[in-house]
Amino acid sequence: ETGVTQSPTHLIKTRGQQVTLRCSSQSGHNTVSWYQQALGQGPQFIFQYYREEENGRGNFPPRFSGLQFPNYSSELNVNALELDDSALYLCASSLEGRKDTQYFGPGTRLTVL
Amino acid sequence: AQTVTQSQPEMSVQEAETVTLSCTYDTSESDYYLFWYKQPPSRQMILVIRQEAYKQQNATENRFSVNFQKAAKSFSLKISDSQLGDAAMYFCAYRPSSNTGTASKLTFGTGTRLQVTL
Repeated sequence: ETGVTQSPTHLIKTRGQQVTLRCSSQSGHNTVSWYQQALGQGPQFIFQYYREEENGRGNFPPRFSGLQFPNYSSELNVNALELDDSALYLCASSLEGRKDTQYFGPGTRLTVL
Repeated sequence: AQTVTQSQPEMSVQEAETVTLSCTYDTSESDYYLFWYKQPPSRQMILVIRQEAYKQQNATENRFSVNFQKAAKSFSLKISDSQLGDAAMYFCAYRPSSNTGTASKLTFGTGTRLQVTL
């Protein structure tokens, strides 16, 4: 167990809708990253938050946004869902000063119809 | 841009035998971290082993060890005494040593599916 939890486990949405995915990290894990893992692929970096501010972003459009809260929880929001957004979404957290090691949650499987 | 390549989509090993998974990467950085993650059907990405590029000694964790060849940009994972519970997708990942912004992101390969047979 990594101590990182994600909810919901599975989610089905239709094209054009909006979705919010949640992640809860361990105390002291003030860096959280979100990844998108399409079927049969490795995870792709979406963005990273450190102390409630976005401090890095991958090649994803602005309709992917996030929030990080003081209680070590975070959210990934996706607006105007597209079919290609169907994927496993993983969050990963790391301790202050130990960004070299990221601990992953079990992921949320999003299906867009 | 950094890239990570895993050229073996699937591998199979008999229980108690040894298997080696391959990974190559491309980077212009001199200091970085390399990782092997295991992703079983439960989907949770579990850290298996990590290697710091400035360390010449190959990392080991119980039955798992790596062969890190910095000049060749190669980072293979050896699993000894394979067990049924080792069956999973294995991902090789790279991360620069800098701690800021996108520099701390992980870049993953496409994975190798390991089957363990009796």
